[in-house]
Amino acid sequence: DTAVSQTPKYLVTQMGNDKSIKCEQNLGHDTMYWYKQDSKKFLKIMFSYNNKELIINETVPNRFSPKSPDKAHLNLHINSLELGDSAVYFCASSQGLAGPYEQYFGPGTRLTVT
Amino acid sequence: KNQVEQSPQSLIILEGKNCTLQCNYTVSPFSNLRWYKQDTGRGPVSLTIMTFSENTKSNGRYTATLDADTKQSSLHITASQLSDSASYICVVRRDGGATNKLIFGTGTLLAVQP
Repeated sequence: DTAVSQTPKYLVTQMGNDKSIKCEQNLGHDTMYWYKQDSKKFLKIMFSYNNKELIINETVPNRFSPKSPDKAHLNLHINSLELGDSAVYFCASSQGLAGPYEQYFGPGTRLTVT
Repeated sequence: KNQVEQSPQSLIILEGKNCTLQCNYTVSPFSNLRWYKQDTGRGPVSLTIMTFSENTKSNGRYTATLDADTKQSSLHITASQLSDSASYICVVRRDGGATNKLIFGTGTLLAVQP
């Protein structure tokens, strides 16, 4: 019944490693997002995908790459992890990009880079 | 500069009391304003979405107001409960241009004590 799910919930890794976070939504939405929430609890949008096309890239380093195999999935790949990448990453989805559509968030993935 | 500022940063109230959270924004052109509730360790959950023409919108004990002229919004919580303890985030969507952006406030951390 989970609308937006993410795996893993926790991820601990060392600097320089490459990791992926998976996201799936079963709401039939057209748009999916990735957000980063830092230690100060500030949410910042990283990417959004609308019908498998990247719409927004918010000055995110190119070490981060979203990949959408289909409309229901938006995975986040991170190369050469750095200490500053430690944060909670949230996936979200909405019916569309334009308009007052509600966003539904996943439970988050806490990434710790040591 | 497009910004969303929230006040207070944190707030402690007793169970059963009312409270009001503030959100001021400088986002332009304005599309809509959202209030989210984020429980500790979980993803944000939408409370309300208000467009330019809406002044007041309620969701149970939560009532949001919007003054598009002064670019201010408030979230009023009536008869607070312990479960209201969370971070409340104001988000303004900017319209127009090639990209649509959601501008997030830094949130108000509310603690409801018995």
